Amino acid sequence: EPEVTQTPSHQVTQMGQEVILRCVPISNHLYFYWYRQILGQKVEFLVSFYNNEISEKSEIFDDQFSVERPDGSNFTLKIRSTKLEDSAMYFCASSAPWGMGRDTEAFFGQGTRLTVV
Amino acid sequence: AQSVAQPEDQVNVAEGNPLTVKCTYSVSGNPYLFWYVQYPNRGLQFLLKYITGDNLVKGSYGFEAEFNKSQTSFHLKKPSALVSDSALYFCAVRDGNNFNKFYFGSGTKLNVKP
Repeated sequence: EPEVTQTPSHQVTQMGQEVILRCVPISNHLYFYWYRQILGQKVEFLVSFYNNEISEKSEIFDDQFSVERPDGSNFTLKIRSTKLEDSAMYFCASSAPWGMGRDTEAFFGQGTRLTVV
Repeated sequence: AQSVAQPEDQVNVAEGNPLTVKCTYSVSGNPYLFWYVQYPNRGLQFLLKYITGDNLVKGSYGFEAEFNKSQTSFHLKKPSALVSDSALYFCAVRDGNNFNKFYFGSGTKLNVKP
């Protein structure tokens, strides 16, 4: 079965550094999402992306965050100047366009564990 | 406002007994409802969904869920729990008119004891 892949699985970075989290969504999907989860707790919405632009973002997704789909296959989340509180598991997800079968649920990657020290 | 509530942080059940994990929701449009499971250090794995039709939906690993429109609930059930079902379970809702976002509940930790 097709799957969403995320790299790296674990990233350790120093406070103030920039990090880029990478995701390869399922190939025919058009809706992309980033969520984060702190310490196995609640899954928090960050941003959704459709038609090469952000379609919705949360309050968490401030100016230090950005997303990009640079080459038609990858979907990246950049955190410009990391803070200690950015330490979390970051999940990428994708879903299909309406009418393409299994087009209502989101498929999640295995996550990138970001540790800011 | 759209939201999902999972009132129990933790559910404990003995192996072989039936289990229920509760979920209630609030959306402005038609609700698309989902259950996901998360095993330790893993991603979210889709279990089942309700979009339309029969209120009782069946999913992976013997799980099922019942949509109740009047109570705005979508409880996850399994007739006979296994120790391997122990995991974190998330209920999610999507507004049928808005593909931009899935709203997740806070999660319920299911502990199945041998």
